[in-house]
Amino acid sequence: AQKITQTQPGMFVQEKEAVTLDCTYDTSDPSYGLFWYKQPSSGEMIFLIYQGSYDQQNATEGRYSLNFQKARKSANLVISASQLGDSAMYFCAMREVVFGGATNKLIFGTGTLLAVQP
Amino acid sequence: DGGITQSPKYLFRKEGQNVTLSCEQNLNHDAMYWYRQDPGQGLRLIYYSQIVNDFQKGDIAEGYSVSREKKESFPLTVTSAQKNPTAFYLCASSIVGTYKAEQYFGPGTRLTVT
Repeated sequence: AQKITQTQPGMFVQEKEAVTLDCTYDTSDPSYGLFWYKQPSSGEMIFLIYQGSYDQQNATEGRYSLNFQKARKSANLVISASQLGDSAMYFCAMREVVFGGATNKLIFGTGTLLAVQP
Repeated sequence: DGGITQSPKYLFRKEGQNVTLSCEQNLNHDAMYWYRQDPGQGLRLIYYSQIVNDFQKGDIAEGYSVSREKKESFPLTVTSAQKNPTAFYLCASSIVGTYKAEQYFGPGTRLTVT
């Protein structure tokens, strides 16, 4: 069965520094998609970045980048130049694959709570 | 502005009462989803629908029911059969048919049952 593991329940980072949030995944299918979402204290989930298993390059979106290591089955989120507004819960997710085909369902990890300190 | 609305933001009910949470989207998405989130936990899928008049159970469907009579709307009813209904409920929508399709989320409804 597919699974997402986020082993860091909480992280601290100083403002303006970079931080890496870990995510490992488990799947036997060669085709898959990985997502990162941010959940501020308000509760809404905000899509940050996507990485496809066949993408040649690591995904980047502004200050967010994905350190994708396929052989290790890891998809760590890197936030550069942290800002106070980055304090939030971060979730890694994977699109479910059934019988070699992607469904529309996402499988979420348990999240990492990031606190940015001034 | 396109997006997903959920109302109300906070909802209080007495134990034994059914309650319906609303979710509306104007993104023209075919697929819609309901998730439950408990404190300090990830999201768990309750129900999802990929097309009007069709929906499937997710991982924790017991005690919940849904309908999808219109493309824009996917209301969730929390029935009295749900043992621990107090939680944060998130609705989402997406296009279908591509690995890259992210889900767009509403602001959520925090349900408290006493």
